[in-house]
Amino acid sequence: QQQVKQSPQSLIVQKGGISIINCAYENTAFDYFPWYQQFPGKGPALLIAIRPDVSEKKEGRFTISFNKSAKQFSLHIMDSQPGDSATYFCAATSLIQGAQKLVFGQGTRLTINP
Amino acid sequence: NAGVTQTPKFQVLKTGQSMTLQCAQDMNHEYMSWYRQDPGMGLRLIHYSVGAGITDQGEVPNGYNVSRSTTEDFPLRLLSAAPSQTSVYFCASRRTSGRYEQYFGPGTRLTVT
Repeated sequence: QQQVKQSPQSLIVQKGGISIINCAYENTAFDYFPWYQQFPGKGPALLIAIRPDVSEKKEGRFTISFNKSAKQFSLHIMDSQPGDSATYFCAATSLIQGAQKLVFGQGTRLTINP
Repeated sequence: NAGVTQTPKFQVLKTGQSMTLQCAQDMNHEYMSWYRQDPGMGLRLIHYSVGAGITDQGEVPNGYNVSRSTTEDFPLRLLSAAPSQTSVYFCASRRTSGRYEQYFGPGTRLTVT
């Protein structure tokens, strides 16, 4: 079963708009939630990550919002740019267990129209 | 640093053939892993290793073997290729302490006919 569920599968946003990608998880042992960005023909790369002791983390135009009680987290991209067009993966793991297994969501293909 | 390198970049196999996907990292990372990426399925863990001589199964291990004789190398073997193994394969590595950033290689696109 999919331990991390991600939506939507694809998203089209106009330049300058806000892109929002959502993820939900079931395993309460997860305590580290990274987001990865993947450009075509490349491997994924870490974009931003959060631990559940904070409700929000911001790095530039990228923000993670975290709702521990709902077991949901989301990525917000402010002022979206064509260069942000990529596939985004949310993920989760348990640092307590040595972070041995990073579980990924299904991915969201984001297209920013100029 | 070259980071995580993978060879080959592309490969076409016939059903039943075997091959090895190569992965190497020069960051002295203890943890290495293999994922496959399929449309709508995200990245699924095949096998992982927490150090030389130690490997374990991930979510989708059937049809694949791994070994870890050195810290740097983590090859993935397909024993008898099947069309269901057509996918893009990514190798990744990271430290097992401190910041848990995982570094991915550029991927190998495998087609089994």
